[in-house]
Amino acid sequence: GQNIDQPTEMTATEGAIVQINCTYQTSGFNGLFWYQQHAGEAPTFLSYNVLDGLEEKGRFSSFLSRSKGYSYLLLKELQMKDSASYLCAVRDGDYKLSFGAGTTVTVRA
Amino acid sequence: DVKVTQSSRYLVKRTGEKVFLECVQDMDHENMFWYRQDPGLGLRLIYFSYDVKMKEKGDIPEGYSVSREKKERFSLILESASTNQTSMYLCAGKDTQYFGPGTRLTVL
Repeated sequence: GQNIDQPTEMTATEGAIVQINCTYQTSGFNGLFWYQQHAGEAPTFLSYNVLDGLEEKGRFSSFLSRSKGYSYLLLKELQMKDSASYLCAVRDGDYKLSFGAGTTVTVRA
Repeated sequence: DVKVTQSSRYLVKRTGEKVFLECVQDMDHENMFWYRQDPGLGLRLIYFSYDVKMKEKGDIPEGYSVSREKKERFSLILESASTNQTSMYLCAGKDTQYFGPGTRLTVL
């Protein structure tokens, strides 16, 4: 199985930047995913990293270091609608994803 | 733009009942997945299927079975529902890029 750790909660101010860290241990790494999940809704895919480095997609960026077993999701210019849970997931092999417990981000005015 | 649908948003069943949760995808993709989500535990994989009639156990298959008779449809079956199967059930398609809206199942 996997061991995926991410902080439980984070709070930030509207317009600020927040970085959500994720560390993992896996035997057959084949990609890292980030999802956003609003309360009562299904997760929505945000990003996918399989090679080291930074992937930027609008206000959201995701970074991966395979040698360190580490990733982060960077949310810039925070908006109230960014208040949600953010899930880190690691793919081991061809199909299986293992998820972290999620980080609840609260954006305050 | 709907890609993954689930048969029910909310379901209430009694202990011992047989429960069917249906998932349909319109992406013509081989891979489909069933997860359950519980507070503090995250999403846990129950079963997945990589082709018609093919299935693989996930991390918590006990008490569940699945059926994949057609490419677009993946069913999760609770043979005899128990209270510890009260949870949010999420179906996903296309390498877990797309989730259905979820079924919140309560077993009394």
